[in-house]
Amino acid sequence: AQRVTQPEKLLSVFKGAPVELKCNYSYSGSPELFWYVQYSRQRLQLLLRHISRESIKGFTADLNKGETSFHLKKPFAQEEDSAMYYCALSGTYSGAGSYQLTFGKGTKLSVIP
Amino acid sequence: DTGVSQNPRHKITKRGQNVTFRCDPISEHNRLYWYRQTLGQGPEFLTYFQNEAQLEKSRLLSDRFSAERPKGSFSTLEIQRTEQGDSAMYLCASSSSGGRDEQFFGPGTRLTVL
Repeated sequence: AQRVTQPEKLLSVFKGAPVELKCNYSYSGSPELFWYVQYSRQRLQLLLRHISRESIKGFTADLNKGETSFHLKKPFAQEEDSAMYYCALSGTYSGAGSYQLTFGKGTKLSVIP
Repeated sequence: DTGVSQNPRHKITKRGQNVTFRCDPISEHNRLYWYRQTLGQGPEFLTYFQNEAQLEKSRLLSDRFSAERPKGSFSTLEIQRTEQGDSAMYLCASSSSGGRDEQFFGPGTRLTVL
């Protein structure tokens, strides 16, 4: 079974402070990991995926297979980063063509001015 | 707007009534997913279509739930004999056929069962 754990429901940081949103996963194969973000009154949207190794809006995330973690980091938080962040996992091809996502419960990031 | 659209955005119904939601995916996407999100939880997978074929269902999808995607374009999700536990946000997502491609989400339909 695949599982994603985000231990923090709420994370508050001051503007300019570093941010780390934690994500741990459980999966026996080779998963693909994603971070999705939902800003207030907007739809869920992809922030970044581990396979692309990009930095989006200053955020980065490294897949650590030994620790089964995919933490999201940003060195200097901005007020516009305040949002709900979901870590998600896509497992091995199921044979039916589905790459369904398994989501964590989410972490609400609040950046204090 | 070329994104995923869902209608209605909100639905309030009484227990025992049937409801139907619609999802219009991005036009060139042949994969379509339905998820359900309850308060304090992340989205949970319900079912998956590739073109018009429903290829995977979650155990969350009880026999009161049925989904269709006629002609491989829009999809409908019907809930029969609604229960208060069905109250949730129902999300639709679509993706292209290139492996683990990004899933684009719609705005969701919020269902409240009284």
